[in-house]
Amino acid sequence: GAVVSQHPSWVICKSGTSVKIECRSLDFQATTMFWYRQFPKQSLMLMATSNEGSKATYEQGVEKDKFLINHASLTLSTLTVTSAHPEDSSFYICSASPRQGTSPLHFGNGTRLTVT
Amino acid sequence: GESVGLHLPTLSVQEGDNSIINCAYSNSASDYFIWYKQESGKGPQFIIDIRSNMDKRQGQRVTVLLNKTVKHLSLQIAATQPGDSAVYFCAERGNFNKFYFGSGTKLNVKP
Repeated sequence: GAVVSQHPSWVICKSGTSVKIECRSLDFQATTMFWYRQFPKQSLMLMATSNEGSKATYEQGVEKDKFLINHASLTLSTLTVTSAHPEDSSFYICSASPRQGTSPLHFGNGTRLTVT
Repeated sequence: GESVGLHLPTLSVQEGDNSIINCAYSNSASDYFIWYKQESGKGPQFIIDIRSNMDKRQGQRVTVLLNKTVKHLSLQIAATQPGDSAVYFCAERGNFNKFYFGSGTKLNVKP
């Protein structure tokens, strides 16, 4: 149980275009999902918290107009990288927990974004 | 966010030996910690967790130790296997159930 799915697994786009990444909780509902970014050989950096029915909250230094998050339902959050540039190329990973309280986050398999 | 760091970026062990991966955290108020395993091109996979009211927790071939006095976590893997080769991260829970990750240790298991 507690499966998180991301789509697409990889995407290549041109500079200036926007890319949408989907994150779904397949067998549970999630009022909150978390988006991380990971550069090669580095750790996961928390970008933002996606809240169902309300605005996302962003970590310090993350541009909210650049990384648009929508949590349309209890099983779906989307991250849109707007006006992508090569420096946005990274591995984007979402996560969610099936339970409130002290329980681990379950992660999707990530989306590799390459901006040319 | 909170700062979580590691002492050893790379660890090489012989198959069958035990592995110990270390992690330091900075927020003494953190109440919950998780170890994750990440294979290349995949998302992190849960290994084991521990609450701050415990100092040791055992799973199958893995043990997590928590020393709150020095804000230190370790992951012990018994009888390390080639399939254990991956990058290991500790994660610390902050406010609003946000998890912050350490810098990671790459474990290489030599056959």
